[in-house]
Amino acid sequence: NAGVTQTPKFQVLKTGQSMTLQCAQDMNHEYMSWYRQDPGMGLRLIHYSVGAGITDQGEVPNGYNVSRSTTEDFPLRLLSAAPSQTSVYFCASSYGGEGYEQYFGPGTRLTVT
Amino acid sequence: GQQVMQIPQYQHVQEGEDFTTYCNSSTTLSNIQWYKQRPGGHPVFLIQLVKSGEVKKQKRLTFQFGEAKKNSSLHITATQTTDVGTYFCAAFSYSGAGSYQLTFGKGTKLSVIP
Repeated sequence: NAGVTQTPKFQVLKTGQSMTLQCAQDMNHEYMSWYRQDPGMGLRLIHYSVGAGITDQGEVPNGYNVSRSTTEDFPLRLLSAAPSQTSVYFCASSYGGEGYEQYFGPGTRLTVT
Repeated sequence: GQQVMQIPQYQHVQEGEDFTTYCNSSTTLSNIQWYKQRPGGHPVFLIQLVKSGEVKKQKRLTFQFGEAKKNSSLHITATQTTDVGTYFCAAFSYSGAGSYQLTFGKGTKLSVIP
């Protein structure tokens, strides 16, 4: 039981490039979400999904896309990277939604130059 | 939207001293969760409080939920170097139009001087 996995662990992009951050969980959780963590800002919700085929925006969705074709996977796409997207990105999953324990992945540290 | 204030932002303590972090919400909460993040790591769930006035203990950690369900605290007795990290509260509440939201505080970074 690997829990929540994320790839890559580190990534450097140039401004304007696009990429996909991968997230997978093997706990059969319906709820999955993406957060970004910046110094002094805590964790801010980017997008979330309550099940396969259903996604919605969080607090800071601009510049990011998500899709949920399976229960296990929830990739985050950066459409055209900007320096403001330099951050640590965490994927999380939960059995019952936001009101329940969130299981976080190890994170992806992204730098945009 | 919901505002969650967590104080202090930083705390340096001598090993063996106590530590407390406070979390205050602008709205009444359905529940509050606490997480710990070790340096370079990811947030790990510690506990969830649901009832008004609830107090829960985990070894040297004591968690409290206020009577009005708008504030919470985490108290660590006799800190150890293994307690080092950032402690986050996460407030879960109704955000209107039939939906709920989970809002994280900015965290309290604890340093323990051996």
